[in-house]
Amino acid sequence: DGGITQSPKYLFRKEGQNVTLSCEQNLNHDAMYWYRQDPGQGLRLIYYSQIVNDFQKGDIAEGYSVSREKKESFPLTVTSAQKNPTAFYLCASSIAKTHEQFFGPGTRLTVL
Amino acid sequence: LAKTTQPISMDSYEGQEVNITCSHNNIATNDYITWYQQFPSQGPRFIIQGYKTKVTNEVASLFIPADRKSSTLSLPRVSLSDTAVYYCLVGDGYGGATNKLIFGTGTLLAVQP
Repeated sequence: DGGITQSPKYLFRKEGQNVTLSCEQNLNHDAMYWYRQDPGQGLRLIYYSQIVNDFQKGDIAEGYSVSREKKESFPLTVTSAQKNPTAFYLCASSIAKTHEQFFGPGTRLTVL
Repeated sequence: LAKTTQPISMDSYEGQEVNITCSHNNIATNDYITWYQQFPSQGPRFIIQGYKTKVTNEVASLFIPADRKSSTLSLPRVSLSDTAVYYCLVGDGYGGATNKLIFGTGTLLAVQP
C-alpha cells in the first residue's frame, strides 16, 4: 500500500528534552510538509521541503528543525527552545506544485 | 497568499444537500481553490480543487463564479459520517514558486439524524 506514515502516534516528553517525530512516504512525492494543529484551530505550517537536501521555514518554525536527506523521509525535531510544544503534529506530502496533499495519521505530542 | 473566510459552523440533517461558501476577495490570477475535510485526530483529506466555473467528482461539487472572489462546496445528500471540519484554501497554482497552503479554522459541519 502506498501512503504516508508517522510514528509514534502518541509521544510524551519532559520539559527540556528534544524529541524527533518520524515521517515516511512511499508515494514518490517530491514535496513534504510539517504542520502543527492546536485544539479547535486550523493547521499551521512549520517547515516544508520541495526537494531532497532543501527545505524552507513555514509560519512557525522557531523551536523546530528538520532534515531531508532522503526523498521518502522528512523527520521533525521539536527542540527545548519550543515554548509550547504540546500539540497534534501532521506530516504531508505532495507532487511538487500541486495542492493535493496527502496527510499522515499524525503524532500527538504531550510535554509533561 | 489569499486569505479565506468561511462560516465557523453549520448544521444539517441526513439526506440534505449542504453548501459551504468561502470568501476569498484577494485571490490572485494563478491561484487555485482547494477544499479539504478533516475528522477529529486525523489528517485532512483532499476533497476537490478548481480554478473557475464548476468541478464535480464522486463526492462533491465546487462552484466558482466568474469573479472568483468566492466559491461554494456542495455535498449532496449528506450522512452522519460527513460530520467533519471543512477547509477552504487558495494558493499558488501550477507553475507557482511554491505550493504552500494556509489552513484557516475551517467550517465545522454537524449532520444530525
